[in-house]
Amino acid sequence: AQSVTQPDIHITVSEGASLELRCNYSYGATPYLFWYVQSPGQGLQLLLKYFSGDTLVQGIKGFEAEFKRSQSSFNLRKPSVHWSDAAEYFCAVGAESGNTPLVFGKGTRLSVIA
Amino acid sequence: DTAVSQTPKYLVTQMGNDKSIKCEQNLGHDTMYWYKQDSKKFLKIMFSYNNKELIINETVPNRFSPKSPDKAHLNLHINSLELGDSAVYFCASSHTDSETQYFGPGTRLLVL
Repeated sequence: AQSVTQPDIHITVSEGASLELRCNYSYGATPYLFWYVQSPGQGLQLLLKYFSGDTLVQGIKGFEAEFKRSQSSFNLRKPSVHWSDAAEYFCAVGAESGNTPLVFGKGTRLSVIA
Repeated sequence: DTAVSQTPKYLVTQMGNDKSIKCEQNLGHDTMYWYKQDSKKFLKIMFSYNNKELIINETVPNRFSPKSPDKAHLNLHINSLELGDSAVYFCASSHTDSETQYFGPGTRLLVL
């Protein structure tokens, strides 16, 4: 069965600093990997996804993530964090076939300080 | 041009009541899902429907009954609400042959 681990429950960064949110997954086949962001009181917005091909994927809002099969990781990065990036970030894994539910990590809460 | 919409956005009710949450998507997707997000923000699948047919039913009390009148709608009815049902319920949809799911804004249910 799939599983996702986000080791960091809460991260605080200064505005303008770089950011890396960690995600490790466990899946027996080719993983389909996603990062979603949830702003306070809001729904889930898809930031980016990886299915195949280039292991460095670009997303919205200046985010990128790198798939490393050898480390079973899909870490999310941003070179310069803005105060509006403060939110909850979820990594998720899906299966190759469609209509398969996503398995989510427990989320990482990002706080941004001036 | 809302993609996945849910009503109501907030729902406050008493224990023992019966309530429904509605979900609609205008993306032309044929698969829809209900996820539950608990107080610790953990998201877990509850149900999945493909072309109006139930395909996934996780370990959810049978007080929860999903209904899909057509491919664009997936409603969630909850009987005899309990305190532990308090959570945020998210609807999502996708194409059968696509792994990307799009989420609604969530329904925040509080059972008193």
